[in-house]
Parts: sequence; C-alpha cells; structure tokens
Amino acid sequence: QVQLRESGPGLVKPSETLSLICTVSGGSVTNASYYWSWVRQTPNKRLEWIGFVYYNRSTKYNPSLKSRVTISVDTSKNHFSLKVISVTAADTAMYYCTRNDVSWGQGTLVTVSS
Amino acid sequence: DVVLTQSPLSLPVTLGQPASISCRSSQSLVHSDGKTYLNWFHQRPGQPPRRLIYRVSKRDSGVPDRFSGSGSGTDFTLKISRVEAEDVGIYYCMQGTYWPPMTFGQGTRLEIK
Repeated sequence: QVQLRESGPGLVKPSETLSLICTVSGGSVTNASYYWSWVRQTPNKRLEWIGFVYYNRSTKYNPSLKSRVTISVDTSKNHFSLKVISVTAADTAMYYCTRNDVSWGQGTLVTVSS
Repeated sequence: DVVLTQSPLSLPVTLGQPASISCRSSQSLVHSDGKTYLNWFHQRPGQPPRRLIYRVSKRDSGVPDRFSGSGSGTDFTLKISRVEAEDVGIYYCMQGTYWPPMTFGQGTRLEIK
C-alpha cells in the first residue's frame, strides 16, 4: 500500500521560499496511472488545490498560485516536491501531498512568520 | 473558477439518525466526456482528508455503505443513513470537471448532539 510523507521546514520567513518534499513508499512516481498533487488547508480549514505533476513531469497549477509555485518529480529518489516563492502570511497552512486524491500524507504545518 | 457552496455549514446529529449535506456548483459539473467529477471527502480531527465518494455516487474502497452520494448537474448530496460516532469531522465536496483549478466546498462540520 502506498504511503506518502511530507517533509520540510515548519517555519519560513516572509518573502522567502517554501520548499517541501513528499516521499513516496510502496509505489513509484513513474507509474503512469497516477498524478501527484499538493493541497493545502488554511487555519480556517479551507482546502486549496495547489497543483499536480504527472509521471512524465508535466504539471498543472492553480492559476491563483501559478506565478509562485513549482512542482517537480525526482524519479531517482521517488519523491516529488513543492516550491512556493515570495511567501506571505497567507501561505501559512497545513500542506498535504496526495496520489490521485485517494492516498494522502499526514500533512506538514508551515508557518510564515519573521 | 467553479464555486462550490455547501449547506449546512454545521450539522448536529443524534447518533443513529440520518444526515444530509448539500453541495451546489456555480455551473454544471458534467464534463465533455459525459461524466461528472464531483467527489466527497471526510476529515477527522488531526487527520488528512479521506475520499469517500467519487464521480457523484461511487464509494471508495472500504467506505461503509451507510454513505451515499447523489445528484446531477449543479446539485449534489451526501447522505449518511445512520450516523455513528466515527463520522464526526468536516465533510468537503470537490469538483474535478473544470480545472485548473480543482475546487473544494467550504466544508460542513458534523458533530454529535
């Protein structure tokens, strides 16, 4: 059974870059049946879809975040990653990685604060 | 973006009683392929969301049959036939017909009376 685990800094300063990794076990990021997504949940519990990457490295992003977000996949390490540049307090959230919206990591809390 | 509006936002329910959550879309969620990509998720406190229902009415593996989804076009409903204690948490609808972006409803918090 596939498992996903998010990792990265829990605290990021405003204007800096948020970087997270989702490590996949029990499955391969090269499997063409799946897309690998990032979703975040704000403190008021709203869910926001950030984007996803396919096995072939093609990506789709939320237009509201597109100018600041990059999602990429590293097949050698069997993980995919999220980068958000120029963060503000509005980027404070629990960040989840998912496979096809069915399998989810436990999430990692990122706070943007100086 | 497609806006999904859930109601009610808070749902107190007695154990063993039914519950119903509505999700209305700002536009029809019928895709050009004829399918409707409306999903339902449940999130328990401290846990990630779990998908319960996909494409309006198809239950995911392991989901109890007391959960059912229905609807078409712009109006959708999640029903729980008999609420159990483990059903507390927040329920979200999500559309995958028009993306990017996929969008979620604002959530409905179910609690036991």
